[in-house]
Amino acid sequence: LAKTTQPISMDSYEGQEVNITCSHNNIATNDYITWYQQFPSQGPRFIIQGYKTKVTNEVASLFIPADRKSSTLSLPRVSLSDTAVYYCLVGVGGYNKLIFGAGTRLAVHP
Amino acid sequence: DTGVSQDPRHKITKRGQNVTFRCDPISEHNRLYWYRQTLGQGPEFLTYFQNEAQLEKSRLLSDRFSAERPKGSFSTLEIQRTEQGDSAMYLCASSLAHQGPYNEQFFGPGTRLTVL
Repeated sequence: LAKTTQPISMDSYEGQEVNITCSHNNIATNDYITWYQQFPSQGPRFIIQGYKTKVTNEVASLFIPADRKSSTLSLPRVSLSDTAVYYCLVGVGGYNKLIFGAGTRLAVHP
Repeated sequence: DTGVSQDPRHKITKRGQNVTFRCDPISEHNRLYWYRQTLGQGPEFLTYFQNEAQLEKSRLLSDRFSAERPKGSFSTLEIQRTEQGDSAMYLCASSLAHQGPYNEQFFGPGTRLTVL
């Protein structure tokens, strides 16, 4: 599975938009990009998945440029409850195992 | 459906003891995964089952570790002769295998193991 690089930590304030960028320079043609969220003492939770351009759901948006060598998870108007670790994963659709990096620790402040 | 459940939530044991964890997946899910997570790191894949068949095991899964999924429902993960390095959160996840790209895995709350 493609290796990913993302910031170790980020800070934001309530009501701001947060963008977390993930680099995956050696992404393969049939790889999908998936983001998971993990709160303390809980298992990770799927947020969003995409292949190209833009994907939006009720939680977040995922922006993928044409070369697909990076992706940006966008969280609109964050609240304190969005404080969590966010993981970017890249792999073939329907892949069997998830390969997590260290993720990005997002801290949202009042 | 109540999601993936794991039991116990916490386990403290002494080095050298055996421990067993249980995972109950979402009922219609045919795939079940085990991961291990240490502090500050992302989860690491250990093994996965499709129905009752164990299809892949990580090199992290030493011979002291064994996992089963009898009848393709719940699964158990046993660690024999525990070592302090086994202290971690053990996460179980399940999913429904299909042909498309969408393969969301649903995680349980984990079992936190502390080996003294």
